[in-house]
Amino acid sequence: GENVEQHPSTLSVQEGDSAVIKCTYSDSASNYFPWYKQELGKGPQLIIDIRSNVGEKKDQRIAVTLNKTAKHFSLHITETQPEDSAVYFCAASQGAQKLVFGQGTRLTINP
Amino acid sequence: NAGVTQTPKFQVLKTGQSMTLQCAQDMNHEYMSWYRQDPGMGLRLIHYSVGAGITDQGEVPNGYNVSRSTTEDFPLRLLSAAPSQTSVYFCASSYAAPGQGSSPLHFGNGTRLTVT
Repeated sequence: GENVEQHPSTLSVQEGDSAVIKCTYSDSASNYFPWYKQELGKGPQLIIDIRSNVGEKKDQRIAVTLNKTAKHFSLHITETQPEDSAVYFCAASQGAQKLVFGQGTRLTINP
Repeated sequence: NAGVTQTPKFQVLKTGQSMTLQCAQDMNHEYMSWYRQDPGMGLRLIHYSVGAGITDQGEVPNGYNVSRSTTEDFPLRLLSAAPSQTSVYFCASSYAAPGQGSSPLHFGNGTRLTVT
Protein backbone atom coordinates (compact mmCIF):
# COMPACT_ATOMS: atom_id res chain seq x y z
CA GLY A 1 0.00 0.00 0.00
CA GLU A 2 0.85 3.66 -0.08
CA ASN A 3 3.23 5.18 2.47
CA VAL A 4 3.62 8.94 2.87
CA GLU A 5 6.51 10.53 4.76
CA GLN A 6 6.32 14.21 5.74
CA HIS A 7 9.11 16.53 6.91
CA PRO A 8 9.78 18.45 9.02
CA SER A 9 7.55 17.59 11.96
CA THR A 10 7.87 21.15 13.30
CA LEU A 11 8.80 24.35 11.49
CA SER A 12 9.25 27.84 12.89
CA VAL A 13 9.66 30.85 10.58
CA GLN A 14 9.65 34.61 10.95
CA GLU A 15 6.58 36.46 9.76
CA GLY A 16 7.03 37.44 6.14
CA ASP A 17 9.47 34.63 5.36
CA SER A 18 8.65 31.53 3.30
CA ALA A 19 7.88 28.05 4.60
CA VAL A 20 8.38 24.77 2.78
CA ILE A 21 7.02 21.37 3.80
CA LYS A 22 8.03 18.23 1.91
CA CYS A 23 6.42 14.83 1.41
CA THR A 24 7.48 11.64 -0.29
CA TYR A 25 5.21 8.80 -1.38
CA SER A 26 5.85 5.19 -2.27
CA ASP A 27 3.15 4.16 -4.76
CA SER A 28 3.94 5.29 -8.29
CA ALA A 29 0.26 4.78 -9.19
CA SER A 30 -0.86 7.58 -6.84
CA ASN A 31 -2.32 10.41 -8.89
CA TYR A 32 -3.86 12.88 -6.46
CA PHE A 33 -2.02 14.90 -3.77
CA PRO A 34 -3.98 17.24 -1.48
CA TRP A 35 -2.75 19.42 1.37
CA TYR A 36 -4.82 20.07 4.48
CA LYS A 37 -4.54 22.72 7.20
CA GLN A 38 -5.72 21.95 10.72
CA GLU A 39 -6.31 24.73 13.22
CA LEU A 40 -6.50 24.07 16.94
CA GLY A 41 -9.62 22.18 17.95
CA LYS A 42 -10.89 21.78 14.40
CA GLY A 43 -10.85 19.22 11.64
CA PRO A 44 -8.44 19.46 8.69
CA GLN A 45 -9.46 21.66 5.79
CA LEU A 46 -8.28 21.37 2.19
CA ILE A 47 -6.06 24.29 1.13
CA ILE A 48 -4.66 23.13 -2.21
CA ASP A 49 -4.33 19.97 -4.25
CA ILE A 50 -2.55 18.75 -7.36
CA ARG A 51 -3.06 15.91 -9.80
CA SER A 52 -0.27 13.85 -11.27
CA ASN A 53 -0.55 15.39 -14.74
CA VAL A 54 0.45 18.82 -13.35
CA GLY A 55 3.87 19.83 -12.03
CA GLU A 56 2.93 22.96 -10.11
CA LYS A 57 -0.17 24.75 -8.88
CA LYS A 58 -0.50 28.15 -7.19
CA ASP A 59 -3.23 29.84 -5.21
CA GLN A 60 -2.23 33.29 -3.99
CA ARG A 61 0.47 32.76 -1.33
CA ILE A 62 0.49 28.98 -1.44
CA ALA A 63 1.85 26.65 -4.10
CA VAL A 64 2.39 22.94 -4.48
CA THR A 65 5.02 21.27 -6.65
CA LEU A 66 5.10 17.64 -7.71
CA ASN A 67 8.04 15.57 -8.94
CA LYS A 68 6.63 12.26 -10.13
CA THR A 69 10.02 10.80 -11.00
CA ALA A 70 11.35 11.32 -7.49
CA LYS A 71 7.92 10.68 -5.93
CA HIS A 72 7.87 13.78 -3.81
CA PHE A 73 5.72 16.88 -3.53
CA SER A 74 6.06 20.08 -1.55
CA LEU A 75 3.94 22.87 -0.10
CA HIS A 76 5.30 26.41 -0.35
CA ILE A 77 3.86 29.30 1.64
CA THR A 78 5.24 32.75 0.86
CA GLU A 79 4.94 35.99 2.87
CA THR A 80 3.85 34.03 5.92
CA GLN A 81 1.35 35.59 8.32
CA PRO A 82 0.40 34.72 11.93
CA GLU A 83 -2.82 33.06 10.71
CA ASP A 84 -0.72 30.54 8.80
CA SER A 85 0.25 28.96 12.13
CA ALA A 86 -1.38 25.52 12.15
CA VAL A 87 -0.71 21.84 11.53
CA TYR A 88 -0.38 20.91 7.86
CA PHE A 89 -0.92 17.45 6.39
CA CYS A 90 -0.02 16.13 2.98
CA ALA A 91 -1.81 13.13 1.51
CA ALA A 92 -1.61 10.83 -1.49
CA SER A 93 -4.29 8.74 -3.11
CA GLN A 94 -4.24 4.97 -2.74
CA GLY A 95 -6.46 3.73 -5.51
CA ALA A 96 -9.65 5.67 -6.05
CA GLN A 97 -11.14 5.18 -2.61
CA LYS A 98 -8.49 6.11 -0.06
CA LEU A 99 -6.24 8.93 0.99
CA VAL A 100 -3.08 8.18 2.96
CA PHE A 101 -1.87 11.07 5.10
CA GLY A 102 1.58 12.14 6.18
CA GLN A 103 2.50 12.59 9.84
CA GLY A 104 1.83 16.34 9.90
CA THR A 105 3.95 19.49 10.30
CA ARG A 106 3.33 22.01 13.05
CA LEU A 107 4.08 25.42 11.53
CA THR A 108 4.65 28.38 13.85
CA ILE A 109 4.93 31.92 12.50
CA ASN A 110 6.92 34.17 14.80
CA PRO A 111 6.03 37.89 14.82
CA ASN B 1 -25.95 23.54 5.89
CA ALA B 2 -24.10 22.20 8.92
CA GLY B 3 -21.52 20.15 6.98
CA VAL B 4 -20.14 17.16 8.94
CA THR B 5 -21.39 16.92 12.52
CA GLN B 6 -19.72 14.67 15.08
CA THR B 7 -21.02 13.83 18.54
CA PRO B 8 -19.96 13.76 21.28
CA LYS B 9 -17.03 16.21 21.32
CA PHE B 10 -15.43 14.52 24.33
CA GLN B 11 -15.84 11.08 25.89
CA VAL B 12 -14.14 9.13 28.67
CA LEU B 13 -14.58 5.37 28.77
CA LYS B 14 -13.36 2.61 31.02
CA THR B 15 -11.59 -0.39 29.49
CA GLY B 16 -14.14 -2.87 28.18
CA GLN B 17 -16.99 -0.39 27.77
CA SER B 18 -18.68 0.09 24.44
CA MET B 19 -19.86 3.23 22.72
CA THR B 20 -20.84 4.69 19.37
CA LEU B 21 -19.34 7.83 17.85
CA GLN B 22 -21.92 9.56 15.71
CA CYS B 23 -21.28 11.23 12.35
CA ALA B 24 -23.85 12.93 10.15
CA GLN B 25 -23.51 15.01 6.98
CA ASP B 26 -26.12 17.09 5.19
CA MET B 27 -24.30 17.56 1.88
CA ASN B 28 -25.65 14.41 0.18
CA HIS B 29 -22.13 13.00 -0.01
CA GLU B 30 -21.78 9.39 -1.09
CA TYR B 31 -18.34 8.83 0.45
CA MET B 32 -17.81 8.84 4.23
CA SER B 33 -14.84 7.78 6.31
CA TRP B 34 -13.41 7.62 9.82
CA TYR B 35 -9.85 8.57 10.75
CA ARG B 36 -7.98 8.55 14.02
CA GLN B 37 -5.33 11.15 14.80
CA ASP B 38 -2.46 10.33 17.12
CA PRO B 39 0.62 12.46 17.85
CA GLY B 40 3.37 11.90 15.29
CA MET B 41 1.25 9.49 13.26
CA GLY B 42 -0.95 11.77 11.23
CA LEU B 43 -4.41 10.65 10.22
CA ARG B 44 -4.99 6.94 9.80
CA LEU B 45 -8.02 5.53 8.01
CA ILE B 46 -10.20 3.19 10.09
CA HIS B 47 -13.19 2.41 7.86
CA TYR B 48 -14.83 4.01 4.87
CA SER B 49 -18.03 3.78 2.82
CA VAL B 50 -18.66 4.61 -0.82
CA GLY B 51 -22.43 4.62 -0.39
CA ALA B 52 -25.34 3.38 1.70
CA GLY B 53 -25.03 -0.32 2.45
CA ILE B 54 -21.34 -0.49 1.48
CA THR B 55 -18.42 -0.35 3.93
CA ASP B 56 -14.78 -1.39 3.79
CA GLN B 57 -11.74 -1.49 6.01
CA GLY B 58 -9.01 1.06 6.09
CA GLU B 59 -5.51 0.93 7.55
CA VAL B 60 -6.42 0.35 11.23
CA PRO B 61 -9.87 -1.34 11.42
CA ASN B 62 -9.33 -3.71 14.37
CA GLY B 63 -11.57 -2.98 17.35
CA TYR B 64 -14.01 -0.85 15.34
CA ASN B 65 -17.26 -1.58 13.51
CA VAL B 66 -19.22 0.60 11.12
CA SER B 67 -22.49 0.49 9.22
CA ARG B 68 -24.07 2.75 6.60
CA SER B 69 -27.82 2.38 6.56
CA THR B 70 -28.46 5.90 5.22
CA THR B 71 -26.51 8.33 3.05
CA GLU B 72 -26.38 10.86 5.88
CA ASP B 73 -25.09 8.80 8.82
CA PHE B 74 -21.94 6.76 9.41
CA PRO B 75 -21.57 5.71 13.07
CA LEU B 76 -18.36 4.19 14.44
CA ARG B 77 -18.74 1.56 17.15
CA LEU B 78 -16.18 0.53 19.73
CA LEU B 79 -17.33 -2.84 21.06
CA SER B 80 -14.83 -3.21 23.92
CA ALA B 81 -12.72 -0.10 24.44
CA ALA B 82 -8.99 -0.42 25.08
CA PRO B 83 -6.46 2.23 26.20
CA SER B 84 -4.83 1.95 22.75
CA GLN B 85 -8.01 3.48 21.32
CA THR B 86 -7.40 6.74 23.15
CA SER B 87 -7.26 9.20 20.27
CA VAL B 88 -9.02 11.98 18.42
CA TYR B 89 -11.48 10.62 15.88
CA PHE B 90 -12.47 12.47 12.73
CA CYS B 91 -15.29 11.73 10.37
CA ALA B 92 -14.97 13.00 6.79
CA SER B 93 -17.17 12.97 3.72
CA SER B 94 -16.96 13.85 0.05
CA TYR B 95 -19.21 13.80 -2.97
CA ALA B 96 -17.05 11.17 -4.68
CA ALA B 97 -14.25 8.89 -3.50
CA PRO B 98 -11.32 11.18 -2.57
CA GLY B 99 -8.68 9.39 -4.61
CA GLN B 100 -10.40 10.51 -7.77
CA GLY B 101 -9.47 14.08 -6.97
CA SER B 102 -12.81 15.48 -8.07
CA SER B 103 -14.16 16.49 -4.68
CA PRO B 104 -12.36 17.33 -1.44
CA LEU B 105 -12.84 15.59 1.89
CA HIS B 106 -14.83 17.64 4.39
CA PHE B 107 -13.93 16.88 8.01
CA GLY B 108 -15.94 17.21 11.18
CA ASN B 109 -14.39 18.83 14.27
CA GLY B 110 -13.55 15.55 15.93
CA THR B 111 -14.33 13.49 19.03
CA ARG B 112 -11.64 13.31 21.69
CA LEU B 113 -11.82 9.87 23.31
CA THR B 114 -9.95 8.77 26.42
CA VAL B 115 -10.00 5.14 27.55
CA THR B 116 -8.78 4.52 31.10
